[in-house]
Amino acid sequence: TQLLEQSPQFLSIQEGENLTVYCNSSSVFSSLQWYRQEPGEGPVLLVTVVTGGEVKKLKRLTFQFGDARKDSSLHITAAQPGDTGLYLCAGAANSGYALNFGKGTSLLVTP
Amino acid sequence: DTAVSQTPKYLVTQMGNDKSIKCEQNLGHDTMYWYKQDSKKFLKIMFSYNNKELIINETVPNRFSPKSPDKAHLNLHINSLELGDSAVYFCASSRTNFGQGTYGYTFGSGTRLTVV
Repeated sequence: TQLLEQSPQFLSIQEGENLTVYCNSSSVFSSLQWYRQEPGEGPVLLVTVVTGGEVKKLKRLTFQFGDARKDSSLHITAAQPGDTGLYLCAGAANSGYALNFGKGTSLLVTP
Repeated sequence: DTAVSQTPKYLVTQMGNDKSIKCEQNLGHDTMYWYKQDSKKFLKIMFSYNNKELIINETVPNRFSPKSPDKAHLNLHINSLELGDSAVYFCASSRTNFGQGTYGYTFGSGTRLTVV
């Protein structure tokens, strides 16, 4: 099993602040995905990064895939209360049939 | 239209009982999954089915038996429920990832199983 370590585990910030969440592994992944999960719901896909060094932007969210395809980061600019949730990174093993998930970063943004 | 629907949403049952969770997807995906999310929010793969065939069975007790009658359905039957089975179970589906893993998953909203 290819392990994904996420940090920080918990993050509590005020509205308007910036933050970065990290997802690291000693394994190489063919791609990494980021999901957001809200209470009582399933995770929802935010983005997939495939190419080493790739940067993708989704409004105030910026995702980066490490050059060696072993790590990824999620940066949120000017966080809003609506960004509150559990952020999960997930990596595809080379077999491609199932994603391995990190343990998540729980983000709370207060007004 | 719900893309991945699983029922029931909540399930409270006594130890030793047998229960089933149903999952259906209307996205035309070829691959379906069951994940277990524990109290610390860790999502762990249990099973993966591709075109009704079992692809992944991740060290899950054989009290758990998935059944896929067709590509759109993947049900989970659990025999002799134990306290440790209490968790949230998620069904998901995706297009088939042939080694690249680039297709995202669509998850259901989960079934919270409580064994008392």
